[in-house]
Amino acid sequence: GEDVEQSLFLSVREGDSSVINCTYTDSSSTYLYWYKQEPGAGLQLLTYIFSNMDMKQDQRLTVLLNKKDKHLSLRIADTQTGDSAIYFCAESMGLTGGGNKLTFGTGTQLKVEL
Amino acid sequence: DSGVTQTPKHLITATGQRVTLRCSPRSGDLSVYWYQQSLDQGLQFLIQYYNGEERAKGNILERFSAQQFPDLHSELNLSSLELGDSALYFCASSVGLEEGYEQYFGPGTRLTVT
Repeated sequence: GEDVEQSLFLSVREGDSSVINCTYTDSSSTYLYWYKQEPGAGLQLLTYIFSNMDMKQDQRLTVLLNKKDKHLSLRIADTQTGDSAIYFCAESMGLTGGGNKLTFGTGTQLKVEL
Repeated sequence: DSGVTQTPKHLITATGQRVTLRCSPRSGDLSVYWYQQSLDQGLQFLIQYYNGEERAKGNILERFSAQQFPDLHSELNLSSLELGDSALYFCASSVGLEEGYEQYFGPGTRLTVT
């Protein structure tokens, strides 16, 4: 089945680390993604991880994948006010005919306070 | 800026009407995807085209149709509009057909049906 879950809200202080969690159900997902959506804007691709990896680091972003528990997390180091946004995790799925789609989580609203 | 463009940015129309949303993919991308973002359903995959052909279909209503033209731009046609069709419609593009190619999203078209 396809169901990607995230907590709805996270509040952190500027300079702290943020950890956004995601649970997915499709064990065949090969790629898992993190997108950021600012108010009134589209989805910005932040990073992704291949399912045979446990961790991926990209500047202030660290993605951790626990494939056994189907748990994905995004850690943002030194969180800034500009990081305030909604963060979506997404799992990829290959489809009949060779195409593919992304299944998105519900999104986590990150609020960074001074 | 992802390189994916969508027009119009906003659209207000009445129930029963028909509208066309337009998307231009990033230069070099052959796949175009359409997604719908609504408050009650979240982000849902609608359809994928690759090099002019439909290759994957999601929960797209029969009242909705899409096409991809030889110059690779795509249009999403929504007809017999209902209040519940009010949503943000995103187009995304990727280089390839299969999963694993990063999907880059446009800024979206906000459709309001009154």
